[in-house]
Amino acid sequence: AQSVAQPEDQVNVAEGNPLTVKCTYSVSGNPYLFWYVQYPNRGLQFLLKYITGDNLVKGSYGFEAEFNKSQTSFHLKKPSALVSDSALYFCAVFLSGYALNFGKGTSLLVTP
Amino acid sequence: DAGVIQSPRHEVTEMGQEVTLRCKPISGHNSLFWYRQTMMRGLELLIYFNNNVPIDDSGMPEDRFSAKMPNASFSTLKIQPSEPRDSAVYFCASSLDYGGPSSGVSTDTQYFGPGTRLTVL
Repeated sequence: AQSVAQPEDQVNVAEGNPLTVKCTYSVSGNPYLFWYVQYPNRGLQFLLKYITGDNLVKGSYGFEAEFNKSQTSFHLKKPSALVSDSALYFCAVFLSGYALNFGKGTSLLVTP
Repeated sequence: DAGVIQSPRHEVTEMGQEVTLRCKPISGHNSLFWYRQTMMRGLELLIYFNNNVPIDDSGMPEDRFSAKMPNASFSTLKIQPSEPRDSAVYFCASSLDYGGPSSGVSTDTQYFGPGTRLTVL
């Protein structure tokens, strides 16, 4: 089955430092991978997606993600974290051609 | 565009009552999804509509749940009767599906509404 795993429940980063939120996938065929962010009491907001092409995908709010086929990973990164980046981050993979199968989420806390 | 609109944002009801959640997808989108988010189970797909037709409702928990999409701009998710274990945040999402379900591929982005936080006492 198409699935993603987010191995960390929480990531803590100091403001200004680079951040990485990890995601690994298990899919048959070519994976369609997504990152979403959820701020408190808000819906999920799309950050970026990988369909095909360049392994480095750039998205909203300065985030980027690197698709690594050999390591079956799709880690989310940002060179310099902001306090306002503190939120819940979800990795997702397309399941059955239309539905998204979400990871359990990683809580990012950026401290001043 | 206003994005996906959901109402109400919060709903508190008593066990046994009927609950109706509403969703207006982004204009022009032809796919609509209902998800449920809980601490225990994370985000789960409940039902998927394409061109107003339910394509996959295998995620609907039981017969107490039903969903309709009478037209391209409106969908409802109904729970009758409601139970405390239905307490969750319910999200509606929409997308423009270029391929259609027959193609087996839908690569466009799903845009989520703000959700309805349901509490069943």
